[in-house]
Amino acid sequence: DVKVTQSSRYLVKRTGEKVFLECVQDMDHENMFWYRQDPGLGLRLIYFSYDVKMKEKGDIPEGYSVSREKKERFSLILESASTNQTSMYLCASRRDGVGYGYTFGSGTRLTVV
Amino acid sequence: GESVGLHLPTLSVQEGDNSIINCAYSNSASDYFIWYKQESGKGPQFIIDIRSNMDKRQGQRVTVLLNKTVKHLSLQIAATQPGDSAVYFCAEVPSGTYKYIFGTGTRLKVLA
Repeated sequence: DVKVTQSSRYLVKRTGEKVFLECVQDMDHENMFWYRQDPGLGLRLIYFSYDVKMKEKGDIPEGYSVSREKKERFSLILESASTNQTSMYLCASRRDGVGYGYTFGSGTRLTVV
Repeated sequence: GESVGLHLPTLSVQEGDNSIINCAYSNSASDYFIWYKQESGKGPQFIIDIRSNMDKRQGQRVTVLLNKTVKHLSLQIAATQPGDSAVYFCAEVPSGTYKYIFGTGTRLKVLA
């Protein structure tokens, strides 16, 4: 069964900490994405990567950075966590080209205290 | 996640009835549309998709209808089951982009 695996289901971090969220896919997909999901706001794109070492800002990149050193791994970094970054974070991947949908991970619920 | 559905419109249907979930999309240049299902505590799962050159596509117990004139997408679930209880949301993909535009979702509640 093909998978997108997020390393943690739940995380609690303190304000100001540097936080790493890891995502690994085993489908050899070119494109990978990080979203956050908040009640009433839906899914909002933070960053995406269309190839190894390539990254592009999404709609809400402020306070975040990403790393894609290998095709299968896409990391989201919160440089200095703040309480307004408390959210559900979803990683997704897709094959390049038209007509391919996302495969999502199970999500990481991050609480910043 | 668990809190995704708290502020969403809710559709309640009796088990065995048909469900219709609607979505208005925003970009007339979108040429690919997808419906996702998200159960509590899980990531979204692909249900069905449709290209803009089609009006209707059927899957197992699900049908997606696309009306490009009014930029409207609907998901029909036949003989709704308790396992269908979840948040459903649509996504549109503008032509030539990687970025999906997601709707905020509808919570489907199946009554026994």
